[in-house]
Amino acid sequence: GEDVEQSLFLSVREGDSSVINCTYTDSSSTYLYWYKQEPGAGLQLLTYIFSNMDMKQDQRLTVLLNKKDKHLSLRIADTQTGDSAIYFCAETPLRDDKIIFGKGTRLHILP
Amino acid sequence: EAGVAQSPRYKIIEKRQSVAFWCNPISGHATLYWYQQILGQGPKLLIQFQNNGVVDDSQLPKDRFSAERLKGVDSTLKIQPAKLEDSAVYLCASSLLRTEVGYTFGSGTRLTVV
Repeated sequence: GEDVEQSLFLSVREGDSSVINCTYTDSSSTYLYWYKQEPGAGLQLLTYIFSNMDMKQDQRLTVLLNKKDKHLSLRIADTQTGDSAIYFCAETPLRDDKIIFGKGTRLHILP
Repeated sequence: EAGVAQSPRYKIIEKRQSVAFWCNPISGHATLYWYQQILGQGPKLLIQFQNNGVVDDSQLPKDRFSAERLKGVDSTLKIQPAKLEDSAVYLCASSLLRTEVGYTFGSGTRLTVV
């Protein structure tokens, strides 16, 4: 089946690292994504990882994929107020090209 | 390059009325998607077009929702008649190829049904 689960809220102090976790059920997923959605805005593709990789780093962002446990995480180093948003974990199953989204994690930055 | 354009930005209608949303994808993008995002949830795919043909409309409530993509460019999504539970943001996205990683999303149309 297709299901992507993630916690709904995360609060982090400015300057600390944020870690947003996600689990998915479809072991055939080819790509896994992190999207960012700011208030009133559309979805912005932050980063993605191919299923044969276990880590991807892009500036302040680190994606870790544990395919055995079907667990994906997004680490944001040195979290800033501009990182306040909803972060969606998503996957593309092998059999098609649609993207299946989780419910999103709202990241709140504490001063 | 210009992004995915959607209009209107906001729409408020009464239940049982009709409404239509418009999407203009990035030039040259063959694949177009409509997603519904209910408040507090992730986007859910309603329909996928490849050029002007439907690839997947399994999640589209066909008794009230319809969508078309004439000439394989712009697309319209219609709801007739609207229900309260149709209140959501309707997102359009496009990609050059079906195998392209990720899509480009528009800013969405926020529909409120009262």
